[in-house]
Amino acid sequence: EPEVTQTPSHQVTQMGQEVILRCVPISNHLYFYWYRQILGQKVEFLVSFYNNEISEKSEIFDDQFSVERPDGSNFTLKIRSTKLEDSAMYFCASSASTGIYGYTFGSGTRLTVV
Amino acid sequence: GQNIDQPTEMTATEGAIVQINCTYQTSGFNGLFWYQQHAGEAPTFLSYNVLDGLEEKGRFSSFLSRSKGYSYLLLKELQMKDSASYLCAVSDYQLIWGAGTKLIIKP
Repeated sequence: EPEVTQTPSHQVTQMGQEVILRCVPISNHLYFYWYRQILGQKVEFLVSFYNNEISEKSEIFDDQFSVERPDGSNFTLKIRSTKLEDSAMYFCASSASTGIYGYTFGSGTRLTVV
Repeated sequence: GQNIDQPTEMTATEGAIVQINCTYQTSGFNGLFWYQQHAGEAPTFLSYNVLDGLEEKGRFSSFLSRSKGYSYLLLKELQMKDSASYLCAVSDYQLIWGAGTKLIIKP
């Protein structure tokens, strides 16, 4: 069964450092998403990406965040200057279309900012 | 505003049936999803409802009433491995998530 692959599975970084979280969506999917989940809290939407541009973003997704699809397979989330409160699980997801048949999630990257 | 409510925690007995409710108020609606999430893992897809009624898939069933903004997930023949959080999410071009219901299964 097709999978969404995320790397790394764990990342520890110092406050103020830049991190790049990587995702390989399912190959024939067109819509890509980043979500995050702070420990013990609900899953939160960050950004959706379609046709090589951001289609929606939440209030969380401020100027410290950016997304990129540098080639035909990878989808990255960059946090420019990490803060302690950025510590969370970050999930990448992809879907064939919006709102239909669900999204396939990657296994997540646990980001710890120290 | 966008709001999805579900109970924080439920307890049930192995072999029994449990119903997890979800109510929602969202500006748009493209369907309602139920996901299962074990601690420290990604959500995994359980069901999708876009029309009113019941969708059955093995031991799991999900019901939707769009006029009432209400859904439930029904789990039958509970097994210990069903202990997890169950997340209700509404699709409005992106997923809006409830906080999840932690289901504890007792022998």
